[in-house]
Amino acid sequence: DIQMTQSPSTLSASVGDRVTITCRASQRISSWLAWYQQKPGKAPNLLIYKASTLESGVPSRFSGSGSGTEFTLTISSLQPDDLATYYCQQYNSYPYTFGQGTKLDIK
Amino acid sequence: QVHLQQWGAGLLKPSETLSLTCAVYGESFSAYYWSWIRQTPGKGLEWIGQISHRGSATYNPSLKSRVTISVDTSKNQFSLNLTSLTAADTGVYYCARETTLVGANYWGQGTLVTVSS
Repeated sequence: DIQMTQSPSTLSASVGDRVTITCRASQRISSWLAWYQQKPGKAPNLLIYKASTLESGVPSRFSGSGSGTEFTLTISSLQPDDLATYYCQQYNSYPYTFGQGTKLDIK
Repeated sequence: QVHLQQWGAGLLKPSETLSLTCAVYGESFSAYYWSWIRQTPGKGLEWIGQISHRGSATYNPSLKSRVTISVDTSKNQFSLNLTSLTAADTGVYYCARETTLVGANYWGQGTLVTVSS
């Protein structure tokens, strides 16, 4: 299985800050990487697919980059509504696997 | 608008079988993959498997011996069976629509499954 490792595990930032979350794959996955946002008690919500393509309806402050084994999710200006846990997922090969999550707190 | 609605028993005993069903509304059942993903305290988000509208299934090898995913295209529904439950299977189970391009872009509301004697 491809292991996905996110860092940091927790992150505290202020409204307006630029926030970056990193995801590393144990094998090359080309650009077959998705980012999800999960709020408490809710299902994950797709933010970005194919490493850098913004899902329809997702605010433009979210962006993704990377290919191969290293990827980043960036929030350009943190908003209170961004309080959530963020997960990466590789869908390059079965079984699809997720990172352990990054919990984002608002200071 | 695509909507996934899932249901099934939430409290089960060790060794019993989990059965969940997911109905798909507002979307053609074909041309997509239909998946089950769970979130457990021990392993976080874990992809269980997926099935095509034609009934071709792919499973996570870690669960393959206990999992069956099936599809009923006449009802636009797909189902999950997970046998020989243990406490480690306790968590929230989600159905989802996946594509090879975007990953899982529609999810069910989740079902909390508790395995306890």
